[in-house]
Amino acid sequence: NAGVTQTPKFRILKIGQSMTLQCTQDMNHNYMYWYRQDPGMGLKLIYYSVGAGITDKGEVPNGYNVSRSTTEDFPLRLELAAPSQTSVYFCASSPTRTGYPEAFFGQGTRLTVV
Amino acid sequence: AQTVTQSQPEMSVQEAETVTLSCTYDTSESNYYLFWYKQPPSRQMILVIRQEAYKQQNATENRFSVNFQKAAKSFSLKISDSQLGDTAMYFCAVNRDDKIIFGKGTRLHILP
Repeated sequence: NAGVTQTPKFRILKIGQSMTLQCTQDMNHNYMYWYRQDPGMGLKLIYYSVGAGITDKGEVPNGYNVSRSTTEDFPLRLELAAPSQTSVYFCASSPTRTGYPEAFFGQGTRLTVV
Repeated sequence: AQTVTQSQPEMSVQEAETVTLSCTYDTSESNYYLFWYKQPPSRQMILVIRQEAYKQQNATENRFSVNFQKAAKSFSLKISDSQLGDTAMYFCAVNRDDKIIFGKGTRLHILP
């Protein structure tokens, strides 16, 4: 029972490089989220999706892009990496807005931009 | 505007004591859910407890309970008989407009 799987777990990126953080879930959840967590801080929502083909901006979307072509996958793209994007990135999913709508989290990706 | 506010950045209590973490939130929705998550040093996000706003009864999970005051938009977490393993960051969260929004967290230290 994998849940939410993020790859890679760690990455060092040079300024100006691009990369894609992968996220996949096997729980058939409709809702998926990307958060970033800066040191000692809370989680800030980058992008979210309420289903395949639908994405929307969260609190801090600048410098990022997402796509949701399938229910399972929700990759996060960083274009032209900047030091300000150094953070821990979490992907999460939830089944619905009602019932038990809590988020299930992946293990996180620690990204350093140098 | 801040949607979820945790006013205590850091707290320390002795093992076996009771501690209460505060949280206030803002939403215009009539029904919603509130959550407390625990993040130990491993970085994993762990759901501690959830509360549906329609339910007046406060949620409990073993040593963890909440004090939900809907009119005041307050959602505090009480940890009874605290244990060393409770040392972690604790985040309050609300699901609002298809999003789950988190507070900045409270770092809790349980002292031996």
